[in-house]
Amino acid sequence: DGGITQSPKYLFRKEGQNVTLSCEQNLNHDAMYWYRQDPGQGLRLIYYSQIVNDFQKGDIAEGYSVSREKKESFPLTVTSAQKNPTAFYLCASSRRPPGQVGNEQFFGPGTRLTVL
Amino acid sequence: EDKVVQSPLSLVVHEGDTVTLNCSYEVTNFRSLLWYKQEKKAPTFLFMLTSSGIEKKSGRLSSILDKKELFSILNITATQTGDSAIYLCAVAAINAGNNRKLIWGLGTSLAVNP
Repeated sequence: DGGITQSPKYLFRKEGQNVTLSCEQNLNHDAMYWYRQDPGQGLRLIYYSQIVNDFQKGDIAEGYSVSREKKESFPLTVTSAQKNPTAFYLCASSRRPPGQVGNEQFFGPGTRLTVL
Repeated sequence: EDKVVQSPLSLVVHEGDTVTLNCSYEVTNFRSLLWYKQEKKAPTFLFMLTSSGIEKKSGRLSSILDKKELFSILNITATQTGDSAIYLCAVAAINAGNNRKLIWGLGTSLAVNP
């Protein structure tokens, strides 16, 4: 089955610890994205990558880091510098970047991170 | 600043009703508008619209884009309780720096009561 997987589904961490969220896709998509969703705020873009070994900051990149060493994988690290890390994190991928034909994004099931 | 505004923010209807959800936008260099449905977890793709006046249809859902007036509507006829979800609108655009972006609205929360 083709799709996007995120793990874990739920994650608990103590304040001050870095944590890495996994995102894998086997859709052969070029572009991948990380979003954060908070109640009443909609989807906010953290980072995106249009191609392997390249990524760009989104609107709320501070306190986060990513890597794109393989086409299939786009892990997100939430660092201790992120002031309010508790949120629902969604990973997405698209065949092409926004604005090009084939730009519809497909989402993983999400990871709910709670920092205690 | 690019923005996408959805209305209403929330809506409660009875099964069988027809609903119309709105999405208006102000962006530079519009490329496409996308609708998603989000139930408990991940948003699922519904439609992508690029041309004015051409209706996209899937079962009881349909959507149309007006590029002159800068809005789109999503219609759901004969609503069912399974239609209860948040409906998200997003617009793909290219900004002044030639960066491609997807700008998201806050969503419309639809509740369909039996």
